[in-house]
Amino acid sequence: AQSVAQPEDQVNVAEGNPLTVKCTYSVSGNPYLFWYVQYPNRGLQFLLKYITGDNLVKGSYGFEAEFNKSQTSFHLKKPSALVSDSALYFCAVRALISGTYKYIFGTGTRLKVLA
Amino acid sequence: GAGVSQSPSNKVTEKGKDVELRCDPISGHTALYWYRQSLGQGLEFLIYFQGNSAPDKSGLPSDRFSAERTGGSVSTLTIQRTQQEDSAVYLCASSLGIGDSGNTIYFGEGSWLTVV
Repeated sequence: AQSVAQPEDQVNVAEGNPLTVKCTYSVSGNPYLFWYVQYPNRGLQFLLKYITGDNLVKGSYGFEAEFNKSQTSFHLKKPSALVSDSALYFCAVRALISGTYKYIFGTGTRLKVLA
Repeated sequence: GAGVSQSPSNKVTEKGKDVELRCDPISGHTALYWYRQSLGQGLEFLIYFQGNSAPDKSGLPSDRFSAERTGGSVSTLTIQRTQQEDSAVYLCASSLGIGDSGNTIYFGEGSWLTVV
C-alpha cells in the first residue's frame, strides 16, 4: 500500500536548537514529496517539495528537507528553531493509485519550540 | 484569485439541516480537491476534480455528501441532513493540474463546520 508515516505525534525543541521532523514513505515509482505547515485555525501552507535533483531541498522560513531514497525518508529540518515555528507539520506524497494521482498526507507532527 | 478562497469561514448548523460549502480555486488551476480535518487530526481525502469531472469520489463518507464543480472553477460541497460527526474543518485545495510532474497543491483557509 502506498503511504506516508510521521512517527512522532509531537516534537519538542528548545529555541535556537536544530529541529528535525521525520517522514517516511512507501510508494511505487519515483516519489514526489511535500511538506506543509498548519498554524492554529489556519489552512495548510506549502513549505517545500522534492521532485528530482538535489537531495537537499530548501523551502520557506529557513526550512529544508533531505530526500533519502535508500531509507525512503524525507525529514524536515531547520538549523535554528524559533518559537514562531510552533505548528502542525504534514508530510505528503503524490502517488499513482488505480490510475489516478493522489496526494497522501501523513497524520501530522506537532512541533513545539520552547523559549 | 490570488489564493484559494473558501466560504463560509465558519458555519454553525442544526443537526438535520443541509449545508453548502464553497471553494474558489486559484485562477487557472484545473485540479481541485476537498479534504476534511477533524479537530487537530490529519487530513481525510474526500473528492478530487479535474476540470468539471470527478475521477475520484472515493473519499466521500456517505451518500449525504456530494460535490460539484462548474465552469472548471468554483466547487460546492454539499452535506445533507448534517450529523454531529460531520463537525470538522473542510479544506479545499487546487493545483495547476494533476498530470504535470509534482504539481503543488495550495490550500484555502478552510470552512469550519459545527453541527449542534
